[in-house]
Amino acid sequence: ETGVTQSPTHLIKTRGQQVTLRCSSQSGHNTVSWYQQALGQGPQFIFQYYREEENGRGNFPPRFSGLQFPNYSSELNVNALELDDSALYLCASSLGLAGLYEQYFGPGTRLTVT
Amino acid sequence: AQSVTQLDSHVSVSEGTPVLLRCNYSSSYSPSLFWYVQHPNKGLQLLLKYTSAATLVKGINGFEAEFKKSETSFHLTKPSAHMSDAAEYFCVVSDPSGGGADGLTFGKGTHLIIQP
Repeated sequence: ETGVTQSPTHLIKTRGQQVTLRCSSQSGHNTVSWYQQALGQGPQFIFQYYREEENGRGNFPPRFSGLQFPNYSSELNVNALELDDSALYLCASSLGLAGLYEQYFGPGTRLTVT
Repeated sequence: AQSVTQLDSHVSVSEGTPVLLRCNYSSSYSPSLFWYVQHPNKGLQLLLKYTSAATLVKGINGFEAEFKKSETSFHLTKPSAHMSDAAEYFCVVSDPSGGGADGLTFGKGTHLIIQP
């Protein structure tokens, strides 16, 4: 059974640019959640996708957006990057909505904004 | 709204001695509570979870936690620390009454250091 995978592992972007991060969910899982983990902090919930629709969002601005595809993989898009967007971005997949079902986390994508 | 407070940012213990990582939560409803561990350059791993069944929850690698509603606490313990336990630990709360749409709320983490 393949676990949750994320790509790329690391990337460096310039302020104002746009970035797309990718997540492949664990086999059989229909829900993907995204979290932002700033250095020295706990992860913060960005949003989750359930069966290709956004279902729940944390306190993040609209320039954070996402997609979920029919195979339940997901993308996180961030527009107009700011220095404070530098963080580890984690995705988690599950059999259903976060909090109701166990979340399985990927290793994360480290984003640096300069 | 839900929140989690991890009372210690760093805990240092000697190998073979007990571990105690403290967590207090706030939730409007009966919460689900979790402890996750994060080793360097690895993903978050679920240690254990409480979902309104037994108040003493046993997890992997010898860890356990006790849910105390009167104290709104969910402290993590282990009788004997091992060097491999050195990692970042997160206490996490979720509110199932919201249908899971609010995601997980993480504490700021406790860095566990194991002294040889």
